[in-house]
Amino acid sequence: QSALTQPPSASGSLGQSVTISCTGTSSDIGAYNYVSWYQQHPGKAPKLIIYDVTQRPPGVPDRFFGSKSGNTASLTVSGLQADDEAEYYCSSYAGLSSLDIFGGGTKLTVL
Amino acid sequence: QVELVESGGGLVNPGGSLRLSCAASGFPFSGYYMSWIRQAPGKGLEYISYIGSNGIPTNYAESVKGRFTISRDNAKNSLYLHLSSLKVDDTAVYYCVRDRGNVAGQFFDLWGQGTLVIVS
Repeated sequence: QSALTQPPSASGSLGQSVTISCTGTSSDIGAYNYVSWYQQHPGKAPKLIIYDVTQRPPGVPDRFFGSKSGNTASLTVSGLQADDEAEYYCSSYAGLSSLDIFGGGTKLTVL
Repeated sequence: QVELVESGGGLVNPGGSLRLSCAASGFPFSGYYMSWIRQAPGKGLEYISYIGSNGIPTNYAESVKGRFTISRDNAKNSLYLHLSSLKVDDTAVYYCVRDRGNVAGQFFDLWGQGTLVIVS
């Protein structure tokens, strides 16, 4: 399968909100409510921040919000903080015989 | 402490082989699907393989099928990835990850620190 499509970069000011999109197809994002988002700081392993489109793992602040419409999922980060500056990857389940696909990543800059 | 610790990475010649290991601790390893995800330098994430909780099923990305083999030893709380016929394009940080949810790859909630494989 092709990778999910994310914008290469996004930015927002401290305290503001930013939304990152992730576009797939009717065979992945559009077919399943199994979209997840990962945050990766430089030199570190990715960290799960959203799963099953909208769910937050324990310890992830409610400033991180996930949603989906059709074949596009979105991650909204509100009340931007300096530590939110990182790379963000989306991922979607793509069926029993397939492996999950990832987006190319979005570099979020906090101004 | 709940963690995954990878080892076994290093520098290898094209066409060579390597075995990566992942030691799990702090959770009932035998109850989880496990996966390997890699990240080439400066690039995004690529899901390359998963294995069921008791060793079945397994699945591989087309890019590694026939060259990589995933396995596990639940008695040792360990996950493995045997890499063979290595190519320069296999150069990456390889992450051991814990699979969660009702289907393989639904989401990945625990990641190791990664081990770097350089094919050159």
